[in-house]
Amino acid sequence: KNQVEQSPQSLIILEGKNCTLQCNYTVSPFSNLRWYKQDTGRGPVSLTIMTFSENTKSNGRYTATLDADTKQSSLHITASQLSDSASYICVVSSDRGSTLGRLYFGRGTQLTVWP
Amino acid sequence: DAGVIQSPRHEVTEMGQEVTLRCKPISGHDYLFWYRQTMMRGLELLIYFNNNVPIDDSGMPEDRFSAKMPNASFSTLKIQPSEPRDSAVYFCASSFHDRGHEKLFFGSGTQLSVL
Repeated sequence: KNQVEQSPQSLIILEGKNCTLQCNYTVSPFSNLRWYKQDTGRGPVSLTIMTFSENTKSNGRYTATLDADTKQSSLHITASQLSDSASYICVVSSDRGSTLGRLYFGRGTQLTVWP
Repeated sequence: DAGVIQSPRHEVTEMGQEVTLRCKPISGHDYLFWYRQTMMRGLELLIYFNNNVPIDDSGMPEDRFSAKMPNASFSTLKIQPSEPRDSAVYFCASSFHDRGHEKLFFGSGTQLSVL
């Protein structure tokens, strides 16, 4: 069964600290993995997209890693800011053609950054 | 560009009433998606269109749900009759084909409450 599991479910950190969110998947075949940030009351916004051959990708203070062998990904946030408080969703695509019709969503990690 | 525009932002209705959600995708995008998000199930794909043609509606819960895309700049999701279990946030998203690197752009969602 194609599944995407994220951990932890929720996380609270102090402003300025680093944190790492985890994503494990069983989706097969694998095409790409995406991380989205969803602010409260808004739609998800894309942070990174990684294909099978990429094992790391950065977007500012966000760095995503991918281990396609173990089917694990992580999202590392450096020097957290209050604006990083959001839900972070891991999404895996299994369709090598038009990828967006076969997306599997994790339930998200709710990150709260305290001052 | 204003991004994906959804209306209304909030909808409160009584069980049995018809509900129509509206979406204007980003100009030039050839894919349009309708998602539903709940705390219990996270984000779920309901249906998606390519060049205004429905491609996969296997996520539509039942016959009470219908979606149309009469032209490239407008889509509707209709629920008739609505039920309390339909209460959720409904997102519209659009994208253009980019061979595996498509980014999904989400609207801000419609918060639907069926009493």
